[in-house]
Amino acid sequence: GENVEQHPSTLSVQEGDSAVIKCTYSDSASNYFPWYKQELGKGPQLIIDIRSNVGEKKDQRIAVTLNKTAKHFSLHITETQPEDSAVYFCAARGQGAQKLVFGQGTRLTINP
Amino acid sequence: DARVTQTPRHKVTEMGQEVTMRCQPILGHNTVFWYRQTMMQGLELLAYFRNRAPLDDSGMPKDRFSAEMPDATLATLKIQPSEPRDSAVYFCASGLGLAENIQYFGAGTRLSVL
Repeated sequence: GENVEQHPSTLSVQEGDSAVIKCTYSDSASNYFPWYKQELGKGPQLIIDIRSNVGEKKDQRIAVTLNKTAKHFSLHITETQPEDSAVYFCAARGQGAQKLVFGQGTRLTINP
Repeated sequence: DARVTQTPRHKVTEMGQEVTMRCQPILGHNTVFWYRQTMMQGLELLAYFRNRAPLDDSGMPKDRFSAEMPDATLATLKIQPSEPRDSAVYFCASGLGLAENIQYFGAGTRLSVL
């Protein structure tokens, strides 16, 4: 089955700097890659996703890139703000499958 | 705005007691997922339903856990008997199925088994 590895497990950046979180997946048939943000005491919320037919997607300060050949995808947050502090999860979904396989999460801290 | 509702938000119980967690999916969603989150294991999928039918419960300990959807507006996850190792946050998520991949998560039930 699918396996998703996420790095780093913790990340601390200065406010205004960029943050990058990386994930690799094992199943070359996976075709959908969402990123979720989980704030303290809340459930994960989708912030951006990408499908296997595109290489990059951007939404304001966040962007996701996908390298299907290498089987990895990354989340980029630019101009970080204190409210970006949270745990971020990547996930992958296999073709025709309903379920998502999640990475272990990255705790992002933005230092003022 | 539409959201997944989970009750209770917190539950403290003693080992051996039955625990029932409830989830109201977003109206119109036809897939429901149950996850367990712990520091050690991260987010684990326990079971999921489509159109109220269980599609996969391979992540769930069969001897003590059970998941059902009595109707389209209610999903339940039961643990009987509960054990301290079941202490975790349990999340329910709903979605529109294959045509729409996004899963919307509830706020979770934090379970502590003493």
